[in-house]
Amino acid sequence: ETGVTQTPRHLVMGMTNKKSLKCEQHLGHNAMYWYKQSAKKPLELMFVYSLEERVENNSVPSRFSPECPNSSHLFLHLHTLQPEDSALYLCASSQGFQSSGARLNEQFFGPGTRLTVL
Amino acid sequence: GNSVTQMEGPVTLSEEAFLTINCTYTATGYPSLFWYVQYPGEGLQLLLKATKADDKGSNKGFEATYRKETTSFHLEKGSVQVSDSAVYFCALSPGGGYQKVTFGIGTKLQVIP
Repeated sequence: ETGVTQTPRHLVMGMTNKKSLKCEQHLGHNAMYWYKQSAKKPLELMFVYSLEERVENNSVPSRFSPECPNSSHLFLHLHTLQPEDSALYLCASSQGFQSSGARLNEQFFGPGTRLTVL
Repeated sequence: GNSVTQMEGPVTLSEEAFLTINCTYTATGYPSLFWYVQYPGEGLQLLLKATKADDKGSNKGFEATYRKETTSFHLEKGSVQVSDSAVYFCALSPGGGYQKVTFGIGTKLQVIP
């Protein structure tokens, strides 16, 4: 596997279910991100982990719970979601700085998980 | 705060037409600028980038020049193909150890044969 992978690609769940989204990056990066992509809206940054520590949490409801057990894996645990949470959830990774100090600031995205909440 | 403005579209062009998608930004300091592309059913892919004023990013026939005086990063291609049909996102990053990237709303491009 190369790049950033996400599983599952599609998920349908009821409002009382508990499920988890998984992201894995094979790029040796040290930062990982969760985004929500809804129709007609800009990409919304949800969470950022840098060096396995959460550094951003953009007022996301507690029914979304991220977990970053190591620099290659990122999870998004879901419980008691609402229909308005239906969206494409994208994971991304990036490398902060090279050892030379040069900036490398592009993010690499996974294909996303299409979530439908009934 | 930082912001990115681009037309929502859809932009519909005939094959081999010239493409321009406008992007303007608001940011403090000297951000890096990006264009990402999202093909149907896929995640975002980096198309090109520029890290300082007057830099030109280019890839797959697409170009964009970092214009600090007009705070713009317009995307251009001389001759579009049907395979270029996708959603294009302009974005900026202030830089740093991790990057809080600000994205535009995305512009849908449809190229018809």
